[in-house]
Amino acid sequence: SQQGEEDPQALSIQEGENATMNCSYKTSINNLQWYRQNSGRGLVHLILIRSNEREKHSGRLRVTLDTSKKSSSLLITASRAADTASYFCAPLETGANNLFFGTGTRLTVIP
Amino acid sequence: DTGVSQNPRHKITKRGQNVTFRCDPISEHNRLYWYRQTLGQGPEFLTYFQNEAQLEKSRLLSDRFSAERPKGSFSTLEIQRTEQGDSAMYLCASTPDRGYEQYFGPGTRLTVT
Repeated sequence: SQQGEEDPQALSIQEGENATMNCSYKTSINNLQWYRQNSGRGLVHLILIRSNEREKHSGRLRVTLDTSKKSSSLLITASRAADTASYFCAPLETGANNLFFGTGTRLTVIP
Repeated sequence: DTGVSQNPRHKITKRGQNVTFRCDPISEHNRLYWYRQTLGQGPEFLTYFQNEAQLEKSRLLSDRFSAERPKGSFSTLEIQRTEQGDSAMYLCASTPDRGYEQYFGPGTRLTVT
């Protein structure tokens, strides 16, 4: 399966700092998606980056994709306590319909 | 558009009993997915529907699990002869036909005692 692997497993920062999470995968992809899961809440789609894109922005989020290294990063700028959550990357393998999630990065933003 | 809904939100059952969960996707979303998530893990793919057709099933989905989407709208996931290892959060997601982003429901938390 084309599972994303997030790094680090856990990250703790002060409010206002930036948070960077990384994702690695193994095969060719159509796109790569990032999701967030707050404690007690469902998964929410954050951003999608296509295989022919290298960088994408959405509000305080910045995603990069390096298909030669099979890696992606998610940067959250000016973090807030409400950003505390688990973040998952989900690569969509070329020709597939299903997403395979990793174990996620647990982000804690300290007020 | 009220989002993806799942019922029940919580289910406690005794080992050996059968349980059924329901998922109502966002209207007009053709694709529907079921996932299972245990504590500290990401969601694990179980099965996928395109309209009423079940197109893919994970090897995680044992014979005790069955899913249906009879009219291409809501879907049910049934677990027969539940085991303690089935305790997990069961998530449903839907996607429009021309999109890739998955919209998740709140999940059904199953506890098998």
